[in-house]
Amino acid sequence: EPEVTQTPSHQVTQMGQEVILRCVPISNHLYFYWYRQILGQKVEFLVSFYNNEISEKSEIFDDQFSVERPDGSNFTLKIRSTKLEDSAMYFCASSESGAGYNEQFFGPGTRLTVL
Amino acid sequence: SQKIEQNSEALNIQEGKTATLTCNYTNYSPAYLQWYRQDPGRGPVFLLLIRENEKEKRKERLKVTFDTTLKQSLFHITASQPADSATYLCALGFTGGGNKLTFGTGTQLKVEL
Repeated sequence: EPEVTQTPSHQVTQMGQEVILRCVPISNHLYFYWYRQILGQKVEFLVSFYNNEISEKSEIFDDQFSVERPDGSNFTLKIRSTKLEDSAMYFCASSESGAGYNEQFFGPGTRLTVL
Repeated sequence: SQKIEQNSEALNIQEGKTATLTCNYTNYSPAYLQWYRQDPGRGPVFLLLIRENEKEKRKERLKVTFDTTLKQSLFHITASQPADSATYLCALGFTGGGNKLTFGTGTQLKVEL
């Protein structure tokens, strides 16, 4: 069964450093998403991406964040200058289309720890 | 802003019984609602999607209802098993925009022998 994969599973970084989280969405999916979950809290939407551009972003997704689809398979989230409060699980998700009635499939997550 | 409420307390039930989890929301009715299962340290796993014009959806031992008048969705697991123990999340989706999902805090279900 096709699945979303993410690397690394755990990333530890120093405050102020740049990190890139990587995702490989399901191959025939067209919509891609990033969510995050701070420990003990709910899953929060960050950004959605379609046709090589951002469709929607939340207030969390400020200038420190960027997304890119550098090739036909990878989808990345970059945090330019990490803060302590960026420590969270980051989940990539994808859906078949943007019709709005399509289930989103999530990856296993990357645990980001900012020291 | 949209508020989503799920039972904050853990739900403990006996194996074989039906578990019923509640998702209430305020303000605007979503175009669709999705239920996910999440195990500790793992990503949400999609279970069921129900649209605003659907009253009920079933998949094997799972059933979801959607009442836009009450602004509520109920999620049922029949013949529950210890392997069903997990946190269950409801997520609201709206048409237009970028298909973002707005999640509730989840309800932890524990099925005991």
